[in-house]
Amino acid sequence: NAGVTQTPKFRILKIGQSMTLQCAQDMNHNYMYWYRQDPGMGLKLIYYSVGAGITDKGEVPNGYNVSRSTTEDFPLRLELAAPSQTSVYFCASSYSKGWDGETQYFGPGTRLLVL
Amino acid sequence: KQEVTQIPAALSVPEGENLVLNCSFTDSAIYNLQWFRQDPGKGLTSLLLIQSSQREQTSGRLNASLDKSSGRSTLYIAASQPGDSATYLCAVVNFGNEKLTFGTGTRLTIIP
Repeated sequence: NAGVTQTPKFRILKIGQSMTLQCAQDMNHNYMYWYRQDPGMGLKLIYYSVGAGITDKGEVPNGYNVSRSTTEDFPLRLELAAPSQTSVYFCASSYSKGWDGETQYFGPGTRLLVL
Repeated sequence: KQEVTQIPAALSVPEGENLVLNCSFTDSAIYNLQWFRQDPGKGLTSLLLIQSSQREQTSGRLNASLDKSSGRSTLYIAASQPGDSATYLCAVVNFGNEKLTFGTGTRLTIIP
């Protein structure tokens, strides 16, 4: 198992550009999540999905979009990149809900710099 | 709104010493609390998960405790090693909530 994979590892964007952060998992997990981590801060949830075709907003969704057409993939789309979106983005997955005691498995992260 | 705090933000300890990392949370209506380890440039790895009905969990040299009534958890690391150097994050799941609420982490450095 590769677990949770993310591409790219690092990207520099100019203000106003768009990009898609890719996330894939091979554990047949129903739940997938996108977090961002700003320097010296904890992770904040951007969007999450409870299964293919179902997505919902997290704590900080503005400026982002997601889709979940398959169980394996959960891409995060940035439209009109802004400097405030400079961060490290983590994708995670889990078999069931967090309150079932199921841990989340994290990818290695994508470091994004918007200039 | 749940808030999770970890103090101190950074800690340096000589190799071999025992140490305690702290985590506090404002809303005690949690389902569970997890401790994660984060190495530079890498994702998070779950270390221990404590359900709300439990008081502690142990894995090797790690012991995590939970006191819901006071809104506190501690991660005890015995006989620290340089390989323990990393950032340690705690996170909670509240009732009816899909998401983890993370603390800001404690960066631990074990000095050889």
